Formats: sequence, C-alpha cells, structure tokens
Amino acid sequence: AAGVIQSPRHLIKEKRETATLKCYPIPRHDTVYWYQQGPGQDPQFLISFYEKMQSDKGSIPDRFSAQQFSDYHSELNMSSLELGDSALYFCASSLAGPGQGFAYEQYFGPGTRLTVT
Amino acid sequence: KNEVEQSPQNLTAQEGEFITINCSYSVGISALHWLQQHPGGGIVSLFMLSSGKKKHGRLIATINIQEKHSSLHITASHPRDSAVYICAAHYGGATNKLIFGTGTLLAVQP
Repeated sequence: AAGVIQSPRHLIKEKRETATLKCYPIPRHDTVYWYQQGPGQDPQFLISFYEKMQSDKGSIPDRFSAQQFSDYHSELNMSSLELGDSALYFCASSLAGPGQGFAYEQYFGPGTRLTVT
Repeated sequence: KNEVEQSPQNLTAQEGEFITINCSYSVGISALHWLQQHPGGGIVSLFMLSSGKKKHGRLIATINIQEKHSSLHITASHPRDSAVYICAAHYGGATNKLIFGTGTLLAVQP
C-alpha cells in the first residue's frame, strides 16, 4: 500500500539559507499535517491543511510558510534558517479534515532530517 | 505541565517480559494514538483508539476515557520491540492535530 512520501530525506543547509520540504500524502487523503521534532524532543505540531486550505496552526515560526496544492501534496518553506531549525520534520496525512466530529488516524511519512550548519 | 504525560520515561526489560507503558492526558480528547519510533526517526502508528481495547499481535492498547488514561502492553517482549513509544492525543473536532507525550524509551535485552 502507498505510504506518505517525503522529500528530501536528508537536507543540509547553512544559516540564513532557505529550504523546501515536500510531502506527498497517501492517495485520497485530503489532510496534511506538519510536525517538527528537535533532538531529544517530542514532535510539535506546526501546521495543517485540509482541502488546500490551512486548517490549523501551531508553533510555526513566521519564517516558515506552507501550502497544499491541488494534487494534495504539501510544501513547507523555511527561510532565514537558524541553527535551532535543525530537526526531523514529519508530515502526516489523514482521510478527512477538521470539523468532522471524528478522529481520523494519521499516517506518518519517514521524515526529513534538516541540519543547519 | 504537559497535556499528555507518559510513564516510565525509560524502561529496560528482559526478552519475554510483559511490558506496560502508561499515558495520561489532562483534557478531553476524541481519540488517542500509540506510535512507535525507531532510531533513525520513522514513526509508525500502532493504534488509534477512543474506547475500550485493541489488540494487534503481541500489542494491546486500552483506554479509559473517564480516567483520561491509556496503557500500551507488549506481551512476550523481544529485542526488536526496542524503540520509543509515544502516545499522542487526538483532539479531533475543529482540529485533528496530535499533541504528543514525552515518549518512553524501551530497551529489550536478549
């Protein structure tokens, strides 16, 4: 069965550079979530999209932006990178979005490990 | 105080032992996920449950909504079960985001 695909799997950038992370959800999944996991930390919710619209926003820095495209893939754009942005970035997808009154299981991608030097 | 707390934080067991990891949460949720994360990072969803009990192979998850408590049990543990186990609260409703617990690092020794 198709899973969530993230690219690239590893990325090394220098301070003040920009990075773009991509997420391809499971086919027919309409909701994408982005999470950031710093070294030794719990994953933290960044942002989510349902049907190409932002559905929720967490602790995402203003330097980061994201969007979901017509094919439901999502991109997380990170500018003016800082050392503290070094983390594992997970994307997850689910079948249905917010306001449905139900909890839908999220399926995680393998993550993109970003290292900022 | 974290909204989702797990115990223990670290657990070492001998192969074959029965293992229990506990998770408590402070607010009402629509469901709770148990996740497994291996070294190198990938996260695998083990269970999502909103009531009662679920079983998959040697893994059993239970939840008590009234007590805001869930447990993950591993029977006949094996070294390949060594991983970080994370419970994550699913608030559903207006948002489906997950709030993650602190994780339990499990090491099963042969």
